[in-house]
Amino acid sequence: RKEVEQDPGPFNVPEGATVAFNCTYSNSASQSFFWYRQDCRKEPKLLMSVYSSGNEDGRFTAQLNRASQYISLLIRDSKLSDSATYLCVVNRGFKTIFGAGTRLFVKA
Amino acid sequence: NAGVTQTPKFQVLKTGQSMTLQCAQDMNHNSMYWYRQDPGMGLRLIYYSASEGTTDKGEVPNGYNVSRLNKREFSLRLESAAPSQTSVYFCASSPGQGTYEQYFGPGTRLTVT
Repeated sequence: RKEVEQDPGPFNVPEGATVAFNCTYSNSASQSFFWYRQDCRKEPKLLMSVYSSGNEDGRFTAQLNRASQYISLLIRDSKLSDSATYLCVVNRGFKTIFGAGTRLFVKA
Repeated sequence: NAGVTQTPKFQVLKTGQSMTLQCAQDMNHNSMYWYRQDPGMGLRLIYYSASEGTTDKGEVPNGYNVSRLNKREFSLRLESAAPSQTSVYFCASSPGQGTYEQYFGPGTRLTVT
């Protein structure tokens, strides 16, 4: 079993839709949590950190449930430019574990 | 600010050849990392350097060595390349000292024939 698991998708949604991604992690000692996005043949870019209290950045909302070892990302009012692969990332100190990513296609 | 830079962008090696991938950051970050990305597997940590003068193994260190040359630069060396090392290699940096969000370079696409 992988330490960080994500639904690989792809998710195909129309512009304006709301889409949610889920991620689970298996090591309860994990300390820091992030979402990154990666465009085709490009480097990953930090989207947002994830906190237990939940956090929002514009159209993006991230949530962490430590008890269930579950992380989520919600994208509202999807744009064409949101098409990318979304990577769930978990840290134990400097040990960084990436999920394999969830692909999102937003269509006009 | 250039952020994180990597050289070269592309490289083709024959089995058994050696090469060094270079990485530099200008964000005054303490920590630096090397990853490889293979299709369907996500990024895997090869080595990291928590601070200048220290290096530690990640998940897949076999076949690689690293050098933290100074605070800015962190190089990855393949001593005897193998086809299994065909991959995209990313360097990243983070502030460190309890802050782990990472900023990535553009990557090096390496093919070993």
